[in-house]
Amino acid sequence: SQQGEEDPQALSIQEGENATMNCSYKTSINNLQWYRQNSGRGLVHLILIRSNEREKHSGRLRVTLDTSKKSSSLLITASRAADTASYFCATDFRMAANSKLTFGKGITLSVRP
Amino acid sequence: GAGVSQSPSNKVTEKGKDVELRCDPISGHTALYWYRQSLGQGLEFLIYFQGNSAPDKSGLPSDRFSAERTGGSVSTLTIQRTQQEDSAVYLCASSLGWGVGLGTDTQYFGPGTRLTVL
Repeated sequence: SQQGEEDPQALSIQEGENATMNCSYKTSINNLQWYRQNSGRGLVHLILIRSNEREKHSGRLRVTLDTSKKSSSLLITASRAADTASYFCATDFRMAANSKLTFGKGITLSVRP
Repeated sequence: GAGVSQSPSNKVTEKGKDVELRCDPISGHTALYWYRQSLGQGLEFLIYFQGNSAPDKSGLPSDRFSAERTGGSVSTLTIQRTQQEDSAVYLCASSLGWGVGLGTDTQYFGPGTRLTVL
């Protein structure tokens, strides 16, 4: 399967702590994206990192990509209760003219106030 | 501006009935995707439309599922003779699309339609 796999499946931390979530994949990618989902409804795009990038920042988010290990990590610094959500990594295995994101099963993050 | 919208937000139907789910993508987005998400699971790709190209239907689970995209904008996902295992949240997403010079795309998701088949 080309599907990315996140770990851990669930993470519970105290407000103010950092949360680190990992994603591994199996084949070469064009890019990797992280999305967030609240309450089982629509996903919100957080950050995209291209295959030629190693690290990217956006506010309290830091994403790294190691193409040699086929893995990525999402770090949320100084977590807040509002960060409680499911987080998905999605990999772009673009083939021919199609662009198709393959999503993992997600990580459930709980931030305790 | 307006985001991706989907209707209805919730749909309860009886086994064997047909349902239609609608997606209005962001104006100007040439790519449109349908996904299915069962409780506590990741997203399962169903179908992808890109401009006027033939759609990528490789994710449709059976011939009971079909989708159209009229005029390159609004899309309808139709499930015929619904089964209980079709119960899930159906998510639509749109993006600017391949070949617009922006590299790969960010997808913008609608709020989803929660389908319950009794």
